[in-house]
Amino acid sequence: DTAVSQTPKYLVTQMGNDKSIKCEQNLGHDTMYWYKQDSKKFLKIMFSYNNKELIINETVPNRFSPKSPDKAHLNLHINSLELGDSAVYFCASSQGGEQRHYGYTFGSGTRLTVV
Amino acid sequence: DQQVKQNSPSLSVQEGRISILNCDYTNSMFDYFLWYKKYPAEGPTFLISISSIKDKNEDGRFTVFLNKSAKHLSLHIVPSQPGDSAVYFCAASEGSNTGKLIFGQGTTLQVKP
Repeated sequence: DTAVSQTPKYLVTQMGNDKSIKCEQNLGHDTMYWYKQDSKKFLKIMFSYNNKELIINETVPNRFSPKSPDKAHLNLHINSLELGDSAVYFCASSQGGEQRHYGYTFGSGTRLTVV
Repeated sequence: DQQVKQNSPSLSVQEGRISILNCDYTNSMFDYFLWYKKYPAEGPTFLISISSIKDKNEDGRFTVFLNKSAKHLSLHIVPSQPGDSAVYFCAASEGSNTGKLIFGQGTTLQVKP
């Protein structure tokens, strides 16, 4: 039973296309996140949702749009893909409040390559 | 402007010896610090955390030390095992209820048999 699952694991697409990455968690966590790991290996937060409500929206181009249909799902849609969007995207979830200090549970990542 | 830094990209130690991974931060408002371990093609997994009001937290072979005055923390692994070979990320919590973590760029640990 995968706690946080992301699909697809690999995604190769052409510049200008629109693509989506899906994420689901079965841990009953309140909060879900999208992080991007760039070529320098930094993990940087993009978005966070708590019970379907957007609570963090970092300085991400508005070509990126997260959607949370329920608290177990957080999908990421990317329009007009650019070469610089190539990265590994990680979904994560955590419990809210004081429980957040027990850390996130991450998915295994989606490696996006834009050609 | 990177608020959490891991200045050593890699570390190699012999099995059975101590591994010490270091992390520096700039924001004195961070209230929690966490370490994650990552194997290739997998997501990071939570390892251990420490509150900013403590200076040490231990869990089995893993101990995290926090020096607030120096804005420095370290992860000690004793004894190191080949299965500990992975990338280790230091992360800091901003103290808000958003759950946002700020990560360092990771240190690759290789434990040689």
